[in-house]
Amino acid sequence: LAKTTQPISMDSYEGQEVNITCSHNNIATNDYITWYQQFPSQGPRFIIQGYKTKVTNEVASLFIPADRKSSTLSLPRVSLSDTAVYYCLVGDGDSGNTPLVFGKGTRLSVIA
Amino acid sequence: ETGVTQTPRHLVMGMTNKKSLKCEQHLGHNAMYWYKQSAKKPLELMFVYSLEERVENNSVPSRFSPECPNSSHLFLHLHTLQPEDSALYLCASSQTRWTNEKLFFGSGTQLSVL
Repeated sequence: LAKTTQPISMDSYEGQEVNITCSHNNIATNDYITWYQQFPSQGPRFIIQGYKTKVTNEVASLFIPADRKSSTLSLPRVSLSDTAVYYCLVGDGDSGNTPLVFGKGTRLSVIA
Repeated sequence: ETGVTQTPRHLVMGMTNKKSLKCEQHLGHNAMYWYKQSAKKPLELMFVYSLEERVENNSVPSRFSPECPNSSHLFLHLHTLQPEDSALYLCASSQTRWTNEKLFFGSGTQLSVL
């Protein structure tokens, strides 16, 4: 499985844009990049998924450079309710059925 | 609301008790999963079911016994647990087992073993 590296924690003030970068140097051709959000004592929630370039939805944007060795999750104008752990996951491009592995994620703290 | 419901939300049990966790999804998904999340640790995949057949068992101790009677329900039977089994147990489902399929998680059962 392609390994991912992301910062352990980040702090931000309310109203700021937050960018969380994830490294995945060994990403395979068939791998997608998926981000989940998890609040305390709850299950993770899917945020966004992409393969290349840029993906945007009502929650976030995902920027993927041409070499796909990294990706950046962008959260516009964060609020206190965005305080959570954010996971970057990259699949196994070989078998196609191997479940994604969750790492430690990035703990985002939004401050008033 | 993710469409995946887990009960109970909280459970306290002694080491000699037998209890069961229940997971229900009405999303029409074909794959269901049990994960364990201990304090300060990443999620650990325990079991994977696809079309009601167990397809993955990640070296989970036999004191955890999963059951999938139909595509909408998943159980985790617990017996003779240890205090280190205290954790948040999460159920998830997805349309297929495809690696990049979107996972829908329940809110979990917070288990405390005394």
